[in-house]
Amino acid sequence: QVQLQESGPGLVKPSQTLSLSCNVSGGSSLSGDYYWSWIRQPPGKGLEWLGYISYSGNNYYNPSLWSRIIISLDASKNQFSLKLSSVTAADTAVYYCARIRYEFRHYYYMDVWGTGTTVTVSS
Amino acid sequence: SYDLTQPPSVSVSPGQTASITCSGDDLGYKYVSWYQQQPGQSPVLVIYQDNKRPSGIPERFSGSNSGNTATLTISGTQAMDEADYYCQAWDSSAALVFGGGTKLTVL
Repeated sequence: QVQLQESGPGLVKPSQTLSLSCNVSGGSSLSGDYYWSWIRQPPGKGLEWLGYISYSGNNYYNPSLWSRIIISLDASKNQFSLKLSSVTAADTAVYYCARIRYEFRHYYYMDVWGTGTTVTVSS
Repeated sequence: SYDLTQPPSVSVSPGQTASITCSGDDLGYKYVSWYQQQPGQSPVLVIYQDNKRPSGIPERFSGSNSGNTATLTISGTQAMDEADYYCQAWDSSAALVFGGGTKLTVL
């Protein structure tokens, strides 16, 4: 049973870079027919997809964030990571990592989610 | 961009059928997934590829998708089904998109 767990600082100052990691465990490596994704949820609001990465390193980002976001993958550590630069209070949210099952340009759905980590942007 | 629209709230009596809609341009040509989120918890996939249920999801959860509207139906709704529900689809212009979410209240 694959499990995902987010980790990283819970407090980030405005204008700095938010950095989170997602550890994948439970028998599933990062290879295979999956994408690895980040999603966030501001307090009291809905879900927002941020981006995903494939095992081969191909990325696809939410167009609204493309200038500030980088998602990377370290297969040797069974981890993938999120960096979001120039953060503001609007980036305060619970950040989730998730595994995506897909058929290219056809269907995409998240079948495994992490427990989420709260990140607050404040000075 | 591509938008998915859900009603903010839906109410249902225990034992009755709840229907939660998700609307988008030509949504019927796309595959829709649905997620349940209990307060303080991570979302859980309940329907994928319009109408398929993951292992462990009760049969009372079903989905359909046609025209511009996808529907999540919960038959014989139970108190434990009270939660937020989100639809999600993929679009070539916006990649992955979530609906705004629907709060299901079981009265």
